[in-house]
Amino acid sequence: AQSVSQHNHHVILSEAASLELGCNYSYGGTVNLFWYVQYPGQHLQLLLKYFSGDPLVKGIKGFEAEFIKSKFSFNLRKPSVQWSDTAEYFCAVNFHGGSQGNLIFGKGTKLSVKP
Amino acid sequence: DSGVTQTPKHLITATGQRVTLRCSPRSGDLSVYWYQQSLDQGLQFLIQYYNGEERAKGNILERFSAQQFPDLHSELNLSSLELGDSALYFCASSPEGNTEAFFGQGTRLTVV
Repeated sequence: AQSVSQHNHHVILSEAASLELGCNYSYGGTVNLFWYVQYPGQHLQLLLKYFSGDPLVKGIKGFEAEFIKSKFSFNLRKPSVQWSDTAEYFCAVNFHGGSQGNLIFGKGTKLSVKP
Repeated sequence: DSGVTQTPKHLITATGQRVTLRCSPRSGDLSVYWYQQSLDQGLQFLIQYYNGEERAKGNILERFSAQQFPDLHSELNLSSLELGDSALYFCASSPEGNTEAFFGQGTRLTVV
C-alpha cells in the first residue's frame, strides 16, 4: 500500500538551530510532493511543493526541500529556525500525479522551538 | 485565509446522532476533498468530488456520505455517530492543473 513516513514525531530545537525533517514515501512511480504546516489551532498551509524540474525546491518562510528520487525522500530543511516556526509539519504525497488534493499524509512532526 | 470556508467550526453531539458539515470551496475550484484528522489515525483522505460527481474515495466509513451541489459547495454527512468519530474534519479545494489543494479551517466534532 502507498504510504508516507515521517521519521520524527517531536523535534525540539533552540532558535537559530538548523532543521531537517525527514519524509519517505513507498511508491516508485510518478508522485507530486508537498510539505504543509499547521500552526496551533489553524488550518493546513502549504510550505512548498514539487511536481517536476529542479529537485531542490524553495518555499515560503525560508524553508526548502530536496527530492531524492532514488531514496524516495523529500526532506524539509531550514538553516535557522525561529520561535514562530513552532508548529506541526506534514509531508504529503499525491500518487500517480492525479488530483492534487488526493493526498496521503505522513503522521506529522511537531516542532517546538525554544526562544 | 485560504478562501475555503467550513461551517460550523465546532460541533458537539451525542452518540447515535447525525450531523452535517458544510464546505464552500474557493471561487472557481471544481474539486472538493474531505479529510479526517484524529490523534490515532492522523490525516486521512475521505472522499473527493469534482463538479458534482464523486471522483475518488479513501478511508470513508459507510456511515459517512458526501455530496457536492450545483453551486459547488459540499456537505459531509456523518450518521450513527460513535465516540471514535470525534476528530477535526477538513475540507480542501483545488483548481485544475498542477497546483496544490487549499484547506479550510476545519470543523471540530466532539461526540459525547
